[in-house]
Amino acid sequence: EAGVAQSPRYKIIEKRQSVAFWCNPISGHATLYWYQQILGQGPKLLIQFQNNGVVDDSQLPKDRFSAERLKGVDSTLKIQPAKLEDSAVYLCASTHEGQGGTQYFGPGTRLLVL
Amino acid sequence: GNSVTQMEGPVTLSEEAFLTINCTYTATGYPSLFWYVQYPGEGLQLLLKATKADDKGSNKGFEATYRKETTSFHLEKGSVQVSDSAVYFCALSDLFWGDDKIIFGKGTRLHILP
Repeated sequence: EAGVAQSPRYKIIEKRQSVAFWCNPISGHATLYWYQQILGQGPKLLIQFQNNGVVDDSQLPKDRFSAERLKGVDSTLKIQPAKLEDSAVYLCASTHEGQGGTQYFGPGTRLLVL
Repeated sequence: GNSVTQMEGPVTLSEEAFLTINCTYTATGYPSLFWYVQYPGEGLQLLLKATKADDKGSNKGFEATYRKETTSFHLEKGSVQVSDSAVYFCALSDLFWGDDKIIFGKGTRLHILP
């Protein structure tokens, strides 16, 4: 079974530029999560999708971050414009009902904002 | 609100030493507890989990017991290997209330010396 795929693996941009990250969850997983992991901290949930609907985006900085999962499969997370404090690893995870809370994570995208 | 507190790292041990990484939690309901591991350059992987009090999760020689009376879920391994060097995250999910979001601790970096 293929795991969660993410791209790109690394991205370096200047502040005020835009960036987008892509995630392809495990086939059949209805729930998809985006996390932000700042160096030295645990992952923090940004947004949770159930199929193509948003379940929780309470911690997403909506003035600059947006995310979509139009067909209920792949998802894109965008930052526009980026700030220095957005430098972090962005993790995508997926799960489906009956997994007992277990989430499956992709390798992450490491973002550096200069 | 729910939270997880784990011992700060880095933890440095010699190969074959005994490992304990402490984790305590605060939860309003009846959480499931997890240990995730993040190897260098990789995404998070579920190491083990326990879904109710007194359950013991185990995998790859690691163990953790869900202790409701002390609200703890300490990770232990009898004899660590160099390949165990990674960052370990304690986490909880309060599935009892239908909330499948995972709350992570800050992570503990483990270095094993040959």
